[in-house]
Amino acid sequence: GIQVEQSPPDLILQEGANSTLRCNFSDSVNNLQWFHQNPWGQLINLFYIPSGTKQNGRLSATTVATERYSLLYISSSQTTDSGVYFCAVSGGGADGLTFGKGTHLIIQP
Amino acid sequence: GAVVSQHPSWVICKSGTSVKIECRSLDFQATTMFWYRQFPKQSLMLMATSNEGSKATYEQGVEKDKFLINHASLTLSTLTVTSAHPEDSSFYICSARRDRGPEQYFGPGTRLTVT
Repeated sequence: GIQVEQSPPDLILQEGANSTLRCNFSDSVNNLQWFHQNPWGQLINLFYIPSGTKQNGRLSATTVATERYSLLYISSSQTTDSGVYFCAVSGGGADGLTFGKGTHLIIQP
Repeated sequence: GAVVSQHPSWVICKSGTSVKIECRSLDFQATTMFWYRQFPKQSLMLMATSNEGSKATYEQGVEKDKFLINHASLTLSTLTVTSAHPEDSSFYICSARRDRGPEQYFGPGTRLTVT
């Protein structure tokens, strides 16, 4: 099956800083999604982005499908951005998502 | 749009009993739903794919007789954990997919504790 690697595993930043989270995947995908898991466990959809670039407020994402990686950018971080960010993909005829191990982001005031 | 609910949010049961978890797509029809499990401080793992009107497809290593999945309508899938044991304690999360695309929308999860 497809392998998904996220980096860095942990990231501690001051409020106002910018950050880049990376997701590498091992094969062609037809679905790539970025999620933020809040402290109660709810997965919040950030982006559906199997290719190309999207922006939503302070967040943006880019997926370069030919090079098998995706990047999530967070600008002007706020303490409410803290939590775990997951990248998940599907491909190769499989519909279920394979999740990376996540990036644990802590934004300090 | 694309709201998915789960019930219950949390449940505590005794070892040997069965527990049913419901997953509903509230504002769209979902031919396909998925069940995932997440252990503390770990990532999500796909357990099974649930298709309306047909048998679920289980991932390798998931016991289909222990985790019974029923997808009886286009808006409801259920997961029943049979003869639960403490090692089944986990966070169970469902997702649903609109028929027109691969993007998945997740429910809020159900925290199961087996004593």
